[in-house]
Amino acid sequence: DVKVTQSSRYLVKRTGEKVFLECVQDMDHENMFWYRQDPGLGLRLIYFSYDVKMKEKGDIPEGYSVSREKKERFSLILESASTNQTSMYLCASRPMTGLSNQPQHFGDGTRLSIL
Amino acid sequence: EDKVVQSPLSLVVHEGDTVTLNCSYEVTNFRSLLWYKQEKKAPTFLFMLTSSGIEKKSGRLSSILDKKELFSILNITATQTGDSAVYLCAVGDYKLSFGAGTTVTVRA
Repeated sequence: DVKVTQSSRYLVKRTGEKVFLECVQDMDHENMFWYRQDPGLGLRLIYFSYDVKMKEKGDIPEGYSVSREKKERFSLILESASTNQTSMYLCASRPMTGLSNQPQHFGDGTRLSIL
Repeated sequence: EDKVVQSPLSLVVHEGDTVTLNCSYEVTNFRSLLWYKQEKKAPTFLFMLTSSGIEKKSGRLSSILDKKELFSILNITATQTGDSAVYLCAVGDYKLSFGAGTTVTVRA
């Protein structure tokens, strides 16, 4: 079974702090994703990574950056946390595929509160 | 802009009822439509649909895709309290666009 592990289930930080959310997958997947999930809005893509050291902006990248130095680890960084970044953050991974598509597999999420 | 709309937003049923969830979409890059179930934690994968008219089944759950009319339905028969969850629909290629989800509550 695919295992996607997010480092914290709950996190409380203060406005202006630099915040790191970590995600590790154990299936040697090339693609990794960061989403945020808000009531009524569903999951929205922040950033994704095709492979090591490669990244691409999603639909809502403002205020975030990412780092992918190793294949198994994808970090989301809030450069200067603000209250509107209070949300549930979900990490996902999937293998790079050729002709056939593969589903994304998700971690349990980090509920982040910015005070 | 890609759009995925799920309906209803929420519903409450009794054990044994049948539930039908809807997902309509308008996306620029369609490769597949996926259904996920989310309880308190990680969304878990249910189905991936790529071809019209072919029903996918897993136990009491089934799903079908209509690529001409751009929608999919997810059916749950003989519902149980363990089916209570948010059901998410997602559409796209390697990048997915998600709907807001349908919250299903099954009362004993």
